Amino acid sequence: AQKVTQAQTEISVVEKEDVTLDCVYETRDTTYYLFWYKQPPSGELVFLIRRNSFDEQNEISGRYSWNFQKSTSSFNFTITASQVVDSAVYFCALSEVNTGNQFYFGTGTSLTVIP
Amino acid sequence: KAGVTQTPRYLIKTRGQQVTLSCSPISGHRSVSWYQQTPGQGLQFLFEYFSETQRNKGNFPGRFSGRQFSNSRSEMNVSTLELGDSALYLCASSGRQGSASEQFFGPGTRLTVL
Repeated sequence: AQKVTQAQTEISVVEKEDVTLDCVYETRDTTYYLFWYKQPPSGELVFLIRRNSFDEQNEISGRYSWNFQKSTSSFNFTITASQVVDSAVYFCALSEVNTGNQFYFGTGTSLTVIP
Repeated sequence: KAGVTQTPRYLIKTRGQQVTLSCSPISGHRSVSWYQQTPGQGLQFLFEYFSETQRNKGNFPGRFSGRQFSNSRSEMNVSTLELGDSALYLCASSGRQGSASEQFFGPGTRLTVL
């Protein structure tokens, strides 16, 4: 079974629109960590955020914000006022205490921001 | 601080050959993980090394192996290459062992098997 599901395969938005990328995870561990990474066309995965399972506070960093809800096992990512430079593939990932640094990645959401 | 470096960046091999990929982690990082990225399977965990010991292994055949040296540099080897091994191989380093650590990824090695 897929531990991390990103149901949106591709999203296109017009510049300055807001966009939310969905992430649903599955784990039996009570302690786990969730991550978001950005993969631009160059291929390198860029770390965006880490959240542990005990911290459900939403986080905002500039135009980026994250909404973590344990009740629905979701960790959604919103980009406000999107820009062309936001075009990339975004991955949500889960790591569990018992498997150390092994990340379970979702299949990614390809975001295209149209100027 | 220099990031994670991977060499070579591109590689073309034929079926049956073997290949070795190299990864140099961020200075001071002792954990190195390897991932395979393909359009069909996405990002899949291969293995993790910490202080020269393999700590965790994904669900890949024994043709995929790795090692880590005392300076934390890591190599990944694939023997008897198959067409399906064509992929982007990503290396990630982390400053600590354990699930809390963010991992920093290199640019990857794109392997094409003909």
